[in-house]
Amino acid sequence: DIQMTQSPASLSASLGETVTIECLASEDIYSNLAWYQQKPGKSPQLLIYYANSLNDGVPSRFSGSGSGTQYSLKINSLQSEDVSIYFCQQNYDSPPWTFGGGTKLELK
Amino acid sequence: EVQLQQSGPEVGRPGSSVKISCKASGYTFTDYVMNWVKQSPGQGLEWIGWIDPEYGSTDYAEKFKKKATLTADTSSNTAYIQLSSLTSEDTATYFCARSGGARYFDFWGPGTMVTVSS
Repeated sequence: DIQMTQSPASLSASLGETVTIECLASEDIYSNLAWYQQKPGKSPQLLIYYANSLNDGVPSRFSGSGSGTQYSLKINSLQSEDVSIYFCQQNYDSPPWTFGGGTKLELK
Repeated sequence: EVQLQQSGPEVGRPGSSVKISCKASGYTFTDYVMNWVKQSPGQGLEWIGWIDPEYGSTDYAEKFKKKATLTADTSSNTAYIQLSSLTSEDTATYFCARSGGARYFDFWGPGTMVTVSS
């Protein structure tokens, strides 16, 4: 199975700041990488797919990048509504699909 | 509008089984597979498996092969997950989530909390 290592596990940032979350795959996943946002008590919501494609309705301050085994999610100009847990997920080739451990983003 | 409606919270005794439903609307049920994902309290996400409602074919993560059974009823556009031989390790929230050919999960249900307690 492909292992996904996400960092940091938690992050504290100020309003208006730029934050970056990283995800490392145990093998090349050829950009088959999605990012999800999960607000407290809610289900995850798709933010980014194919490593850098923004899902419909997602604010443009969110962006994804990366290739091979290394990927990142960037949030520009942090807003209060961005306080969430963020997960990466690989969906390369065949199951099982695996998730990173999550990054809890809080306001400083 | 795509919607996935899940059944309500369940309490199961150790050793028993529970069955959760996920009713889909707003799209053609057989055009997408349905995934199930487990989230233990305060923990991350684990993919349990998926079912292709058109053919009834399934695939499971190794860890859940003896724990979960996925089914789908195309007449009611509903997917199900049955969890058997419940233990405290099964206490979690279970989500259904749709995926297409690209395999990312574009719509999720609200989750069903399962509590295993005697």
